[in-house]
Amino acid sequence: AQTVTQSQPEMSVQEAETVTLSCTYDTSESDYYLFWYKQPPSRQMILVIRQEAYKQQNATENRFSVNFQKAAKSFSLKISDSQLGDAAMYFCAYRDPQGGSEKLVFGKGMKLTVNP
Amino acid sequence: NAGVMQNPRHLVRRRGQEARLRCSPMKGHSHVYWYRQLPEEGLKFMVYLQKENIIDESGMPKERFSAEFPKEGPSILRIQQVVRGDSAAYFCASSPTTGGLYEQYFGPGTRLTVT
Repeated sequence: AQTVTQSQPEMSVQEAETVTLSCTYDTSESDYYLFWYKQPPSRQMILVIRQEAYKQQNATENRFSVNFQKAAKSFSLKISDSQLGDAAMYFCAYRDPQGGSEKLVFGKGMKLTVNP
Repeated sequence: NAGVMQNPRHLVRRRGQEARLRCSPMKGHSHVYWYRQLPEEGLKFMVYLQKENIIDESGMPKERFSAEFPKEGPSILRIQQVVRGDSAAYFCASSPTTGGLYEQYFGPGTRLTVT
């Protein structure tokens, strides 16, 4: 079964600084999709960024970028120029399209605090 | 386009009662997913439905839980004879399609408390 591991339960960063959130996953598949979701105190899950495994180029969305290392099964999220509004729980997720499965497999999450 | 709607936002039930959670997907979305989030945990997949069909219920507990997505109206997650361990946040997501790098859009969740 696929698993997603976020080994750091909490991190903090100073406003305007850069922080990297780590995520590793376990799979025997070669084609799959990876996601980072943000869950602010409102509890709404918001998609931050996504990556296709067969694309070697790392995805970027404004201040958010990923470092995707397929061989190492690592998918870290970098937040540049951190803002107070970035404070939230961050969840890494995996989806394996084989066999028609559409379920997202989530890690346990990491709480990010942004200090002014 | 309104987002995914879930109601109620908060639901309190006594042990043994039934809980009904509703989810209205975004307009034009015919795929619905339910996830459960226990305290201090990530979301866990429960079930994936299309209109009038359950496609994947591999994450649903074998007893007391059921889900439907009728031709008309919202998707319903039903929990019969609730127990304290059912206390959690239940999230619904929807998508217009599947396959490829599509996004599942999440609702705000229903927080179920069993007393």
